Amino acid sequence: AQRVTQPEKLLSVFKGAPVELKCNYSYSGSPELFWYVQYSRQRLQLLLRHISRESIKGFTADLNKGETSFHLKKPFAQEEDSAMYYCALTEKTSYDKVIFGPGTSLSVIP
Amino acid sequence: DVKVTQSSRYLVKRTGEKVFLECVQDMDHENMFWYRQDPGLGLRLIYFSYDVKMKEKGDIPEGYSVSREKKERFSLILESASTNQTSMYLCASSQRQGARDEQYFGPGTRLTVT
Repeated sequence: AQRVTQPEKLLSVFKGAPVELKCNYSYSGSPELFWYVQYSRQRLQLLLRHISRESIKGFTADLNKGETSFHLKKPFAQEEDSAMYYCALTEKTSYDKVIFGPGTSLSVIP
Repeated sequence: DVKVTQSSRYLVKRTGEKVFLECVQDMDHENMFWYRQDPGLGLRLIYFSYDVKMKEKGDIPEGYSVSREKKERFSLILESASTNQTSMYLCASSQRQGARDEQYFGPGTRLTVT
């Protein structure tokens, strides 16, 4: 069965330090992977998708098919990065079903 | 600006009551989804719909049903609310463009069943 795991429920880093949020997946085909973010009192929203190979708010994520990982990274954490982060995988069926990981709560300490 | 709205932000119901959660999107999206969000469990898919009057079970459909009579509206129904259905419920929508399109989320409904 397709699964997404995020091993850290909570992650605390100091402002200016590098941050890495881990995501591993199990999927039999070629996955479509995303990171979603939920800031305090805001709705869940897309942060970035692997197919775009983009950097959003200084975050990047590289798909490593050998390690089945899609870790989210930022070289210098900012206080406004404090939020809940969800890694997600889309099944390639006609129904566009998305599987979310359990989430990691990032806290950036000033 | 894309918009997904949910009928209530907070809802308190008694055990055994029938509960309706409404979701409306104004983006002409084909796909609509209902999730529940619980700490440590992430988002779990309850039901989704890829067209009017079409529905598919997600991972945790037990105790829930859905209705999609119009393209823009997707309703989640708790036939007989129970305390273990106390949760945050999120609605989302997306275009049917294969697997690459993002989901747009509503603000959520926090349901408490007493």
